[in-house]
Amino acid sequence: GENVEQHPSTLSVQEGDSAVIKCTYSDSASNYFPWYKQELGKRPQLIIDIRSNVGEKKDQRIAVTLNKTAKHFSLHITETQPEDSAVYFCAASAPSGTYKYIFGTGTRLKVLA
Amino acid sequence: NAGVTQTPKFQVLKTGQSMTLQCAQDMNHNSMYWYRQDPGMGLRLIYYSASEGTTDKGEVPNGYNVSRLNKREFSLRLESAAPSQTSVYFCASSRAGLASYNEQFFGPGTRLTVL
Repeated sequence: GENVEQHPSTLSVQEGDSAVIKCTYSDSASNYFPWYKQELGKRPQLIIDIRSNVGEKKDQRIAVTLNKTAKHFSLHITETQPEDSAVYFCAASAPSGTYKYIFGTGTRLKVLA
Repeated sequence: NAGVTQTPKFQVLKTGQSMTLQCAQDMNHNSMYWYRQDPGMGLRLIYYSASEGTTDKGEVPNGYNVSRLNKREFSLRLESAAPSQTSVYFCASSRAGLASYNEQFFGPGTRLTVL
């Protein structure tokens, strides 16, 4: 069945260092890959997304890379700041026409000042 | 625009009681979703509605029912609550349609405790 694996489950970095979170998906038909940030007690919010016709996308300190052959995609956060501390979820679109999204289990990122 | 709204924000039920969680969006989105979030389990899809008039089961539908009342509103009903349904429930909507996937917008969540 459809599955998205996300690693690591927790990640601690020093302020100013980079953080990388990796996800692997199972369905080769997936074509949309969003990343959500969820702060404590808040709702998930989109921070960046990528479609299957693009290999990399950047938005200031955040970037996402996609390797369709290997079926994995990664979130890169550079120059981390304390406000980057949150839980990050990756997701992949389910087969076309279902309009479902399959979520990873989340990564708790702690940025240490 | 209010985006996605959910009511109530908090609810405590006794085992066997029923309740309906309400969700509405004002973004004219076609697709709406109900997720539950448990510690360490991420977001698990309960039911979704790809368009007005359709509903489909997600990953964990047992014990729940849904109604897509109109394009704006999508409700989730627990007919006989069980302690295993203690969770945070999120409603979401998306402009997904015509074979295109897009950003999901989430509501603020409902924290449900079943005693």
